[in-house]
Amino acid sequence: GAVVSQHPSWVICKSGTSVKIECRSLDFQATTMFWYRQFPKQSLMLMATSNEGSKATYEQGVEKDKFLINHASLTLSTLTVTSAHPEDSSFYICSAEDSTDTEAFFGQGTRLTVV
Amino acid sequence: AQKITQTQPGMFVQEKEAVTLDCTYDTSDQSYGLFWYKQPSSGEMIFLIYQGSYDEQNATEGRYSLNFQKARKSANLVISASQLGDSAMYFCAMREAPKRGKLIFGQGTELSVKP
Repeated sequence: GAVVSQHPSWVICKSGTSVKIECRSLDFQATTMFWYRQFPKQSLMLMATSNEGSKATYEQGVEKDKFLINHASLTLSTLTVTSAHPEDSSFYICSAEDSTDTEAFFGQGTRLTVV
Repeated sequence: AQKITQTQPGMFVQEKEAVTLDCTYDTSDQSYGLFWYKQPSSGEMIFLIYQGSYDEQNATEGRYSLNFQKARKSANLVISASQLGDSAMYFCAMREAPKRGKLIFGQGTELSVKP
Protein backbone atom coordinates (compact mmCIF):
# COMPACT_ATOMS: atom_id res chain seq x y z
CA GLY A 1 0.00 0.00 0.00
CA ALA A 2 0.88 3.64 -0.25
CA VAL A 3 3.10 5.24 2.38
CA VAL A 4 2.36 8.36 4.38
CA SER A 5 5.13 9.78 6.52
CA GLN A 6 4.42 12.09 9.44
CA HIS A 7 7.07 14.04 11.26
CA PRO A 8 7.91 14.47 14.05
CA SER A 9 6.60 11.41 15.86
CA TRP A 10 6.73 13.24 19.15
CA VAL A 11 7.43 16.77 20.27
CA ILE A 12 7.56 18.68 23.53
CA CYS A 13 7.17 22.43 23.40
CA LYS A 14 6.71 25.31 25.80
CA SER A 15 3.43 27.13 26.22
CA GLY A 16 3.09 29.99 23.81
CA THR A 17 5.32 28.57 21.13
CA SER A 18 4.27 27.14 17.77
CA VAL A 19 4.80 23.62 16.51
CA LYS A 20 4.70 22.41 12.91
CA ILE A 21 3.77 18.86 11.98
CA GLU A 22 4.41 17.54 8.48
CA CYS A 23 2.47 14.90 6.58
CA ARG A 24 3.95 13.57 3.35
CA SER A 25 2.65 11.09 0.84
CA LEU A 26 5.79 9.30 -0.32
CA ASP A 27 4.72 7.35 -3.37
CA PHE A 28 1.49 8.92 -4.55
CA GLN A 29 -0.04 12.32 -5.05
CA ALA A 30 -2.60 13.30 -2.49
CA THR A 31 -4.90 16.12 -3.47
CA THR A 32 -6.68 15.69 -0.17
CA MET A 33 -5.30 15.05 3.28
CA PHE A 34 -7.08 14.91 6.60
CA TRP A 35 -5.94 15.90 10.06
CA TYR A 36 -7.29 14.11 13.12
CA ARG A 37 -6.83 14.62 16.82
CA GLN A 38 -7.04 11.91 19.44
CA PHE A 39 -7.11 12.29 23.20
CA PRO A 40 -6.07 9.31 25.37
CA LYS A 41 -8.54 6.44 25.29
CA GLN A 42 -10.76 8.33 22.86
CA SER A 43 -11.60 8.15 19.21
CA LEU A 44 -10.09 10.04 16.32
CA MET A 45 -11.85 13.31 15.69
CA LEU A 46 -11.49 15.04 12.35
CA MET A 47 -10.06 18.52 12.66
CA ALA A 48 -9.85 19.61 9.06
CA THR A 49 -9.69 18.59 5.44
CA SER A 50 -6.66 19.86 3.59
CA ASN A 51 -6.91 20.39 -0.15
CA GLU A 52 -3.91 21.07 -2.32
CA GLY A 53 -3.80 24.65 -3.49
CA SER A 54 -6.81 25.84 -1.54
CA LYS A 55 -7.87 26.71 1.97
CA ALA A 56 -8.49 23.94 4.42
CA THR A 57 -12.01 23.10 5.55
CA TYR A 58 -12.26 23.02 9.32
CA GLU A 59 -14.72 21.02 11.35
CA GLN A 60 -17.08 22.82 13.65
CA GLY A 61 -15.40 23.90 16.86
CA VAL A 62 -11.85 23.78 15.51
CA GLU A 63 -10.09 27.15 15.65
CA LYS A 64 -8.64 27.77 12.21
CA ASP A 65 -6.38 30.56 13.50
CA LYS A 66 -4.89 28.23 16.07
CA PHE A 67 -4.48 25.18 13.86
CA LEU A 68 -3.00 26.44 10.62
CA ILE A 69 -3.05 24.01 7.73
CA ASN A 70 -1.07 24.40 4.55
CA HIS A 71 -1.22 22.02 1.60
CA ALA A 72 1.16 23.63 -0.83
CA SER A 73 2.02 20.56 -2.88
CA LEU A 74 0.48 17.26 -3.85
CA THR A 75 2.70 15.42 -1.41
CA LEU A 76 2.89 17.67 1.64
CA SER A 77 0.44 19.06 4.14
CA THR A 78 1.47 20.80 7.34
CA LEU A 79 -0.38 21.47 10.56
CA THR A 80 0.93 24.29 12.73
CA VAL A 81 -0.31 24.56 16.28
CA THR A 82 0.12 28.23 17.12
CA SER A 83 0.55 29.64 20.62
CA ALA A 84 0.32 26.16 22.06
CA HIS A 85 -1.24 25.58 25.46
CA PRO A 86 -1.19 22.48 27.67
CA GLU A 87 -4.73 21.63 26.59
CA ASP A 88 -3.42 21.26 23.03
CA SER A 89 -1.41 18.26 24.19
CA SER A 90 -2.75 15.37 22.18
CA PHE A 91 -2.04 12.82 19.47
CA TYR A 92 -2.31 14.30 16.00
CA ILE A 93 -2.50 12.03 12.97
CA CYS A 94 -2.90 12.68 9.29
CA SER A 95 -4.27 10.60 6.48
CA ALA A 96 -3.90 11.00 2.75
CA GLU A 97 -6.33 10.09 0.05
CA ASP A 98 -5.28 8.10 -2.97
CA SER A 99 -8.25 8.26 -5.31
CA THR A 100 -7.22 5.00 -6.96
CA ASP A 101 -7.42 3.03 -3.74
CA THR A 102 -10.17 2.42 -1.23
CA GLU A 103 -7.77 2.34 1.70
CA ALA A 104 -7.16 5.54 3.65
CA PHE A 105 -3.46 5.81 4.43
CA PHE A 106 -2.35 7.18 7.77
CA GLY A 107 0.84 8.72 8.99
CA GLN A 108 2.48 7.42 12.12
CA GLY A 109 1.02 10.20 14.24
CA THR A 110 2.59 12.92 16.38
CA ARG A 111 2.39 13.02 20.12
CA LEU A 112 2.43 16.67 21.19
CA THR A 113 3.11 17.64 24.78
CA VAL A 114 2.89 21.29 25.74
CA VAL A 115 4.57 22.18 29.03
CA ALA B 1 -25.26 12.96 9.18
CA GLN B 2 -23.18 9.83 9.34
CA LYS B 3 -22.60 8.13 12.65
CA ILE B 4 -20.66 5.08 13.79
CA THR B 5 -21.36 3.31 17.07
CA GLN B 6 -19.21 0.78 18.86
CA THR B 7 -20.92 -0.30 22.05
CA GLN B 8 -18.14 -2.44 23.52
CA PRO B 9 -15.54 -0.28 25.29
CA GLY B 10 -13.52 -3.36 26.18
CA MET B 11 -13.46 -7.01 25.24
CA PHE B 12 -11.51 -10.02 26.46
CA VAL B 13 -10.82 -13.12 24.43
CA GLN B 14 -8.81 -16.25 25.08
CA GLU B 15 -5.88 -16.86 22.81
CA LYS B 16 -6.78 -19.00 19.75
CA GLU B 17 -10.49 -18.26 20.11
CA ALA B 18 -12.59 -16.11 17.80
CA VAL B 19 -14.00 -12.74 18.80
CA THR B 20 -16.58 -10.41 17.28
CA LEU B 21 -16.33 -6.65 17.64
CA ASP B 22 -19.60 -4.84 17.05
CA CYS B 23 -20.15 -1.83 14.86
CA THR B 24 -23.37 -0.19 13.75
CA TYR B 25 -23.66 2.80 11.49
CA ASP B 26 -26.18 5.33 10.37
CA THR B 27 -26.26 7.05 7.03
CA SER B 28 -28.73 8.17 4.43
CA ASP B 29 -26.21 7.66 1.65
CA GLN B 30 -26.54 4.70 -0.71
CA SER B 31 -22.85 4.56 -1.49
CA TYR B 32 -20.35 4.40 1.34
CA GLY B 33 -17.36 2.50 2.61
CA LEU B 34 -16.80 0.79 5.95
CA PHE B 35 -13.40 0.22 7.48
CA TRP B 36 -11.80 -1.43 10.45
CA TYR B 37 -8.50 -0.20 11.84
CA LYS B 38 -6.28 -1.54 14.58
CA GLN B 39 -4.40 0.90 16.78
CA PRO B 40 -1.70 -0.56 19.03
CA SER B 41 -0.24 1.44 21.89
CA SER B 42 2.28 3.00 19.49
CA GLY B 43 -0.59 4.94 17.93
CA GLU B 44 -0.25 3.92 14.30
CA MET B 45 -3.45 3.13 12.46
CA ILE B 46 -3.26 -0.28 10.83
CA PHE B 47 -5.79 -0.96 8.10
CA LEU B 48 -7.51 -4.31 8.54
CA ILE B 49 -10.43 -4.64 6.20
CA TYR B 50 -12.80 -2.72 3.92
CA GLN B 51 -16.40 -3.27 2.85
CA GLY B 52 -18.14 -1.25 0.16
CA SER B 53 -21.84 -0.68 0.50
CA TYR B 54 -22.50 -2.36 -2.84
CA ASP B 55 -20.28 -5.34 -2.18
CA GLU B 56 -22.45 -8.42 -2.01
CA GLN B 57 -19.86 -10.65 -0.43
CA ASN B 58 -18.57 -10.13 3.08
CA ALA B 59 -14.97 -8.95 3.02
CA THR B 60 -12.24 -11.22 4.32
CA GLU B 61 -8.54 -10.58 4.90
CA GLY B 62 -6.68 -13.46 6.43
CA ARG B 63 -7.94 -13.90 10.01
CA TYR B 64 -10.23 -10.89 9.68
CA SER B 65 -13.70 -11.00 8.25
CA LEU B 66 -16.41 -8.39 8.18
CA ASN B 67 -19.96 -9.49 8.87
CA PHE B 68 -21.85 -6.94 6.79
CA GLN B 69 -25.61 -6.77 7.35
CA LYS B 70 -26.80 -3.85 5.31
CA ALA B 71 -30.43 -3.95 6.39
CA ARG B 72 -29.38 -3.84 10.03
CA LYS B 73 -26.64 -1.29 9.28
CA SER B 74 -24.05 -3.35 11.04
CA ALA B 75 -20.46 -4.15 10.09
CA ASN B 76 -19.04 -6.39 12.77
CA LEU B 77 -15.41 -7.48 12.70
CA VAL B 78 -14.64 -11.11 13.35
CA ILE B 79 -11.12 -12.06 14.33
CA SER B 80 -10.47 -15.78 14.19
CA ALA B 81 -7.77 -17.62 16.11
CA SER B 82 -6.87 -14.64 18.30
CA GLN B 83 -3.22 -14.00 18.99
CA LEU B 84 -1.56 -12.09 21.82
CA GLY B 85 -0.48 -9.49 19.28
CA ASP B 86 -4.11 -8.73 18.51
CA SER B 87 -4.40 -6.85 21.81
CA ALA B 88 -5.06 -3.25 20.77
CA MET B 89 -7.77 -0.66 20.16
CA TYR B 90 -10.02 -1.38 17.22
CA PHE B 91 -11.90 1.33 15.39
CA CYS B 92 -14.76 0.99 12.97
CA ALA B 93 -15.03 3.85 10.49
CA MET B 94 -17.23 5.01 7.66
CA ARG B 95 -16.50 7.06 4.58
CA GLU B 96 -19.12 8.83 2.54
CA ALA B 97 -17.81 7.38 -0.71
CA PRO B 98 -15.81 4.21 -1.35
CA LYS B 99 -12.63 5.97 -2.42
CA ARG B 100 -12.99 9.53 -1.26
CA GLY B 101 -13.77 11.61 1.77
CA LYS B 102 -13.16 11.90 5.47
CA LEU B 103 -13.48 9.00 7.84
CA ILE B 104 -15.95 9.08 10.69
CA PHE B 105 -14.76 6.85 13.53
CA GLY B 106 -16.58 4.95 16.21
CA GLN B 107 -15.59 5.16 19.86
CA GLY B 108 -13.34 2.16 19.63
CA THR B 109 -13.12 -1.21 21.39
CA GLU B 110 -10.12 -2.21 23.44
CA LEU B 111 -9.41 -5.87 22.85
CA SER B 112 -7.32 -7.85 25.29
CA VAL B 113 -6.18 -11.34 24.35
CA LYS B 114 -5.49 -13.62 27.31
CA PRO B 115 -2.86 -16.38 27.11
